[in-house]
Order: sequence, then C-alpha cells, then structure tokens
Amino acid sequence: DAGVIQSPRHEVTEMGQEVTLRCKPISGHNSLFWYRQTMMRGLELLIYFNNNVPIDDSGMPEDRFSAKMPNASFSTLKIQPSEPRDSAVYFCASSYGGNMNTEAFFGQGTRLTVV
Amino acid sequence: AQSVTQLGSHVSVSEGALVLLRCNYSSSVPPYLFWYVQYPNQGLQLLLKYTSAATLVKGINGFEAEFKKSETSFHLTKPSAHMSDAAEYFCAVTGGYNKLIFGAGTRLAVHP
Repeated sequence: DAGVIQSPRHEVTEMGQEVTLRCKPISGHNSLFWYRQTMMRGLELLIYFNNNVPIDDSGMPEDRFSAKMPNASFSTLKIQPSEPRDSAVYFCASSYGGNMNTEAFFGQGTRLTVV
Repeated sequence: AQSVTQLGSHVSVSEGALVLLRCNYSSSVPPYLFWYVQYPNQGLQLLLKYTSAATLVKGINGFEAEFKKSETSFHLTKPSAHMSDAAEYFCAVTGGYNKLIFGAGTRLAVHP
C-alpha cells in the first residue's frame, strides 16, 4: 500500500485566496483525521470522520475552514478565504477504527504558506 | 477527558548515552498509549503502542516504553542513542473513535 497520500506537498498562496488540501487514506481504513501543526500550538486535531461521516469538527478554528469526505477514498480540507495565520503543516491520517488500540497512519503533510 | 503531558520540550544526549523521554497521561478509562516519531519534513511514524497486553512495550529502532499505572506514566527509553535518533517524539493517547490526542512533543538532539 502506498500509505496516506496528501497533495500538494507545498502550497504558497496569497491572503484571501481559496486553498484546498487533498487526502487519500489507506484503502480499508474507515477513520480519517485532519491535523494542523505549528510551532506555537503543536499538533491540533481539526476534524475527524468515521465511515465518511464527520464526527467532531470542534477543532476547526473558524468558519473559513471546511472539510468533506465524499467517499471512503478521498477527503478535502478547504480554507476560504485564507489568512497568513493559517500558515502551518496540515496532516491527514487514517486508521481502521475496529478498536481503540489501532494506530493512525500519517501522510507526509502539506506545508501551507499564506503571504 | 484524555490528555498527555510531555516533560521537556528539548532533550540533548551524547551518542551512546541513554535516551529518556517522559510522558504522563490522564485518562478516565484504561488508556491506549502511543509514541510517534517525526523526522524533519516528514509525517509521524509509529514507534510503539501500549495495548494492555504487557507493561513493557518494545518498538522499532531499539526503543521501548514501560506503562506504569501507579505513576500514570509511559516514558520512552533507548539504551544507546544514535545520531539517526535525532527527531521530534510525540506521546499520544486514544480518545473516542480512535482519535489521537498528542502531547506537545520533545525534540531530541544527539551530539557526537
């Protein structure tokens, strides 16, 4: 398996532009997580899905952020409009949610820079 | 609610020395605990996990961790540090739906 695939690896955009980050989870996994990593705040869980359904989006910082999972093999995280403070590395992770001791597998991340 | 606290944001050791990275957890239910490693510009990779089968857990790259309920700890150790161990290490506990709740991370530096 190729693992969790994220695209793009790097994104530079201007403030006010829409940004879409993409994630393909590992085949057969039914839980998907979006994390944001910054120096100041560390790893923050933004939202997670189980069987394509959003379970908890309380970590989404504000209404400018939205996430979708239209099917088991694809998810997007969108920021509209983007702001410089959104600059961070965004990770997608997936797991098979059969029991509580299942580890999550992480993608390589998308480094977002908003100028 | 579950949480983890990592003591020490930076740890520096000499090559060949013992590595000890500290993690304490808080959980209202028996916890499932994990250690992940992150190399520069990479995603997180699982080192080891505690699933209640054994209190001493062995992971990859010579790392191990011991679950101590009385101390609510899950410290990560390696007898002899190697230059390639330089990375950031994260302790995590599982919440509902397998979501991982991470500590702030400990950056390990290994010097010759």
